[in-house]
Amino acid sequence: AQSVTQPDIHITVSEGASLELRCNYSYGATPYLFWYVQSPGQGLQLLLKYFSGDTLVQGIKGFEAEFKRSQSSFNLRKPSVHWSDAAEYFCAVRASGTYKYIFGTGTRLKVLA
Amino acid sequence: EAQVTQNPRYLITVTGKKLTVTCSQNMNHEYMSWYRQDPGLGLRQIYYSMNVEVTDKGDVPEGYKVSRKEKRNFPLILESPSPNQTSLYFCASSFDGGGSYEQYFGPGTRLTVT
Repeated sequence: AQSVTQPDIHITVSEGASLELRCNYSYGATPYLFWYVQSPGQGLQLLLKYFSGDTLVQGIKGFEAEFKRSQSSFNLRKPSVHWSDAAEYFCAVRASGTYKYIFGTGTRLKVLA
Repeated sequence: EAQVTQNPRYLITVTGKKLTVTCSQNMNHEYMSWYRQDPGLGLRQIYYSMNVEVTDKGDVPEGYKVSRKEKRNFPLILESPSPNQTSLYFCASSFDGGGSYEQYFGPGTRLTVT
């Protein structure tokens, strides 16, 4: 069955520290890959997406993600976290040729001042 | 302003009382979708629509109905709500193709069924 795994439910980092949020997917072929952010009480906002080409993609708010086919991973990174990055982050996939989306269970990020 | 709107934003109802949550987008998107968000489960897709009069089931369609009679609207219908449908619901839309597929999400509808 197709699935998306975000193994870290909660992550706490200090402001200014680097961040990596993990995402692994299970699909037969390369899917379309997305990272969304949800601030408290808000809807979801797209951070970045990957369809093909360069495996390192840049997004908004200084985030980037790297697609690694061999590891079926699409990890999100930021070199220096700001207090405003505290939110919940969701990885999502859509198998090419389909219309269904599968979301991970989310990682809640806490930023210490 | 490009947006996805949902109404109502908050709803408390009783078991078995039919309800409809509306969703509307002003971006002329072909694709629309409904999700429910539950703690520890992330977002799960309920139904989606590829265009007018074309809908299909997501992963958790039981207890829900949808219709797509107009391109801009995609209402979610709970014919006989039950307490296990208490959740936060999101509608989303996207232009489907041309390297896009970015979904724009509405603000959410918090539903409580007692």
